[in-house]
Amino acid sequence: GENVEQHPSTLSVQEGDSAVIKCTYSDSASNYFPWYKQELGKRPQLIIDIRSNVGEKKDQRIAVTLNKTAKHFSLHITETQPEDSAVYFCAATTILDGADGLTFGKGTHLIIQP
Amino acid sequence: GAVVSQHPSRVICKSGTSVKIECRSLDFQATTMFWYRQFPKQSLMLMATSNEGSKATYEQGVEKDKFLINHASLTLSTLTVTSAHPEDSSFYICSARAISGLIYGYTFGSGTRLTVV
Repeated sequence: GENVEQHPSTLSVQEGDSAVIKCTYSDSASNYFPWYKQELGKRPQLIIDIRSNVGEKKDQRIAVTLNKTAKHFSLHITETQPEDSAVYFCAATTILDGADGLTFGKGTHLIIQP
Repeated sequence: GAVVSQHPSRVICKSGTSVKIECRSLDFQATTMFWYRQFPKQSLMLMATSNEGSKATYEQGVEKDKFLINHASLTLSTLTVTSAHPEDSSFYICSARAISGLIYGYTFGSGTRLTVV
């Protein structure tokens, strides 16, 4: 099955600086890579996703890059703000009918220092 | 957008009793729903995949007789934790996959905090 590694486990950055979280996956068949933000006790919220036919995707201050050859993908947050503080999870899956649950990384606790 | 409702949000039960958690897709039909478990300060772990009208598929190490899943309609899946024990205390979250043309995404329920005493 799929295995997703995520680094770092904790990331502290100054407000306004950029944050980068990296993930690697093991299954070359994986073709969908979402990123979730989770605040304590709440549901994961999708912040951005990318499919395997695209190398990069951007949405305002958030971007994701995908390297299929190396099997890694990264989340980039620019101009960080205090409200960006949360736990971020990467995930991977192969989209198939009825058999495509997400495999999550272990999460990154992002701390934005004021 | 796609909305998934999950109930209850919190439940405390005595050891040995059973607890049922409901997951509903409110504005779309979900032929497939997923159940995850999240221990404190850990990641989400997929427990099982629930397909409408058929038996659930369980991940390795998840006891199917302990975690009963029923997906009787296109909008409702239930997870019953049978004979709950303190080690079953966790955050249980359901997810449904919404498909619109070539666009697909996973929407999560609000989660259920189960505490077994």
